[in-house]
Amino acid sequence: DVKVTQSSRYLVKRTGEKVFLECVQDMDHENMFWYRQDPGLGLRLIYFSYDVKMKEKGDIPEGYSVSREKKERFSLILESASTNQTSMYLCASSTLGTSRPGGMNTEAFFGQGTRLTVV
Amino acid sequence: SQQGEEDPQALSIQEGENATMNCSYKTSINNLQWYRQNSGRGLVHLILIRSNEREKHSGRLRVTLDTSKKSSSLLITASRAADTASYFCAFMDSNYQLIWGAGTKLIIKP
Repeated sequence: DVKVTQSSRYLVKRTGEKVFLECVQDMDHENMFWYRQDPGLGLRLIYFSYDVKMKEKGDIPEGYSVSREKKERFSLILESASTNQTSMYLCASSTLGTSRPGGMNTEAFFGQGTRLTVV
Repeated sequence: SQQGEEDPQALSIQEGENATMNCSYKTSINNLQWYRQNSGRGLVHLILIRSNEREKHSGRLRVTLDTSKKSSSLLITASRAADTASYFCAFMDSNYQLIWGAGTKLIIKP
């Protein structure tokens, strides 16, 4: 059974803390994505990666960074957590499937989500 | 980036009835995908329909795509309590960016 696993279901962090959200996939997918989901706003792309050590900014990269040292692992880092980063964070992966890196023209597999609360 | 629009925002029907959700977009697309999300969980892929396709089926799910109207619909037939979830459309535009709708919350009443 294919899997995308996020390291935590729930996290509570203090303002100013450095936060690491980890995501691991076992499908040998090239693409990996980090989204945040807020009520009424759908999914918003933070960063994506189409290869090891490659990363591209999404729609809302400010306040975040990412790391992809290995193909199966994509980490999202909140350098200094703020209350407006309280959200549900979703990791996804997909095969390359297109000539353009980061394209998702095959199905995406999502992790179970991490609900982060910054107090 | 531009968001897809879904309607209705919420839908409550009796078990056994059919549920229809709609998604509209404003740009040209490569494909359109539908996902389901159970409360507090990640998203699960349901169907991908390409821009040159008009209809696709998967079990009790039927997706249509009308590129002239820039719209898609997801039909769930003979709904079950387990279909209660939020449903999202996502379309890939000509720049291969994936644009998400805000979702339709579906409640199936037993």
